[in-house]
Amino acid sequence: DTAVSQTPKYLVTQMGNDKSIKCEQNLGHDTMYWYKQDSKKFLKIMFSYNNKELIINETVPNRFSPKSPDKAHLNLHINSLELGDSAVYFCASSLSGRVDTQYFGPGTRLTVL
Amino acid sequence: DAKTTQPPSMDCAEGRAANLPCNHSTISGNEYVYWYRQIHSQGPQYIIHGLKNNETNEMASLIITEDRKSSTLILPHATLRDTAVYYCIVKSGATNKLIFGTGTLLAVQP
Repeated sequence: DTAVSQTPKYLVTQMGNDKSIKCEQNLGHDTMYWYKQDSKKFLKIMFSYNNKELIINETVPNRFSPKSPDKAHLNLHINSLELGDSAVYFCASSLSGRVDTQYFGPGTRLTVL
Repeated sequence: DAKTTQPPSMDCAEGRAANLPCNHSTISGNEYVYWYRQIHSQGPQYIIHGLKNNETNEMASLIITEDRKSSTLILPHATLRDTAVYYCIVKSGATNKLIFGTGTLLAVQP
């Protein structure tokens, strides 16, 4: 009964490849997020979707394209992977409102060689 | 959103209370104080939040000063499993964006 799940947990790939990370939540939340945590452990928001609509889009390269097929899923597709994309990517979800506590997934560790 | 300042690291003996301070001197009236923690190799975990009043839940207590310029997260009986990076975040209800700082690495010692 995992609340926020991500697949895969680990992803090792070559530069230039295209890869996707999937996220699913079973909490009935209407808002989902992608965060990136780099090697220095800084955790930064990348995107947020509310009811399948993009509401937060930080200064992220166009190679990153999120897709939300429904409220329970938010996938992250990355084109032309670069060395600097190596990081841990966390998905999160929340119920929108005045106080929207966010629940995080276990993370996907992406390593680009 | 207002910025927060936390000590980079703290130690606490197992079984004792851990008191983690946070300064947020530029906090606005509609901004909440949130605490999250990140145990090594896991996703961040929500702990508690508050606006003005002190709050308590099964994990921790949050003490917010009357002027709201600082707060303290209290773990009443720290265990080894509480070793983690603790993040104090100030956020208004107008945005979904959580801005994580560098946090406090709490090391609970046996």
